Amino acid sequence: GAGVSQSPRYKVAKRGQDVALRCDPISGHVSLFWYQQALGQGPEFLTYFQNEAQLDKSGLPSDRFFAERPEGSVSTLKIQRTQQEDSAVYLCASSFSSGNTEAFFGQGTRLTVV
Amino acid sequence: DQQVKQNSPSLSVQEGRISILNCDYTNSMFDYFLWYKKYPAEGPTFLISISSIKDKNEDGRFTVFLNKSAKHLSLHIVPSQPGDSAVYFCAASGTRSGGSNYKLTFGKGTLLTVNP
Repeated sequence: GAGVSQSPRYKVAKRGQDVALRCDPISGHVSLFWYQQALGQGPEFLTYFQNEAQLDKSGLPSDRFFAERPEGSVSTLKIQRTQQEDSAVYLCASSFSSGNTEAFFGQGTRLTVV
Repeated sequence: DQQVKQNSPSLSVQEGRISILNCDYTNSMFDYFLWYKKYPAEGPTFLISISSIKDKNEDGRFTVFLNKSAKHLSLHIVPSQPGDSAVYFCAASGTRSGGSNYKLTFGKGTLLTVNP
């Protein structure tokens, strides 16, 4: 596709439920990022992939958060046993190379935990 | 501790005038800076960037200025248009002292409203 695609656009989960968020990056982009954006805040870094390798997961808030990119293209962010504080917009971004280059963002998935 | 600060939550400007959005940073490891624009219900869109080896970068109506000694950058939009109304995020990354050159640190954003 022409841009980064994320699905679903909106997700409502009951507290304790597991969720999976999908990201289709721009074709050929080596780098893939996940960010979390809480209401009224800027995006905050969660994790970074270079191809299929997860090189940095320092931003993941807890061990309930897990991300994968098994074939170096599509990525999934999984949140286990969701809690209300997980409510946020989850943004995926990709870039052609690593480092000092602009990343292209998807529209995000708005997760609401009730 | 916010490493990238956008102290103005909002800014209102008349169409045709200059819009100036400001950003301050505290981390001396940052050496690459970007501005993103975000419309409601969309993801951030890249606007313009600047490396620390420059103090100015221009792209059409958009110019970014970097003052390294003051750890300050600004985005100028001239002339402002109603379609520029959006939230503008300042972001930074850095490689100095072992920092990462891929992780973006964002400010909280400034809502720009351009009135016709």
